[in-house]
Amino acid sequence: KAGVTQTPRYLIKTRGQQVTLSCSPISGHRSVSWYQQTPGQGLQFLFEYFSETQRNKGNFPGRFSGRQFSNSRSEMNVSTLELGDSALYLCASSLAFDYEQYFGPGTRLTVT
Amino acid sequence: GENVEQHPSTLSVQEGDSAVIKCTYSDSASNYFPWYKQELGKRPQLIIDIRSNVGEKKDQRIAVTLNKTAKHFSLHITETQPEDSAVYFCAASETGGSYIPTFGRGTSLIVHP
Repeated sequence: KAGVTQTPRYLIKTRGQQVTLSCSPISGHRSVSWYQQTPGQGLQFLFEYFSETQRNKGNFPGRFSGRQFSNSRSEMNVSTLELGDSALYLCASSLAFDYEQYFGPGTRLTVT
Repeated sequence: GENVEQHPSTLSVQEGDSAVIKCTYSDSASNYFPWYKQELGKRPQLIIDIRSNVGEKKDQRIAVTLNKTAKHFSLHITETQPEDSAVYFCAASETGGSYIPTFGRGTSLIVHP
């Protein structure tokens, strides 16, 4: 089985721009979660989607949003980028939200 | 919300020694506790997990123990090898309703050959 894939792997944006990140889960997995990883804050949960519905959301501002398509692929969007949004964004897929999660390689976002 | 404390932040051991990493959590509703290993520049990988209806779980050289009363759980690695060197994260979440995992800050394990 192919693993979780994320595109793009690296991205450089300037403040005020917006960005869309993509995640393709393992075939058959319906749950996709997104995380932000920074040296200062560690790993933080952004949100989780299951069958195209956002079921859970972490403590992030409304500039962070996402969606999931019928094939379980998910996108995450960050609007009005700030310097503090520079991070590694990881997605993880699982059969259901309380099953083993498999992480993608991440997208390294740098905001200048 | 949930708060997870992880100690130590850095752990240095000699090859063959045992390593123990401890996490405490605050929300008594948490019932799922995974551990992840993240090697430098790579993605986190689940190495072992435990649910609140179990006190201990083993998988070869790795074990996790859970004390629900004290609200802490620990990762035990025996016979450490240089390839065990990585950052280890613990997490806690409540799976019955909203699943919002809270992670510890990570432990950098260094195994010296």
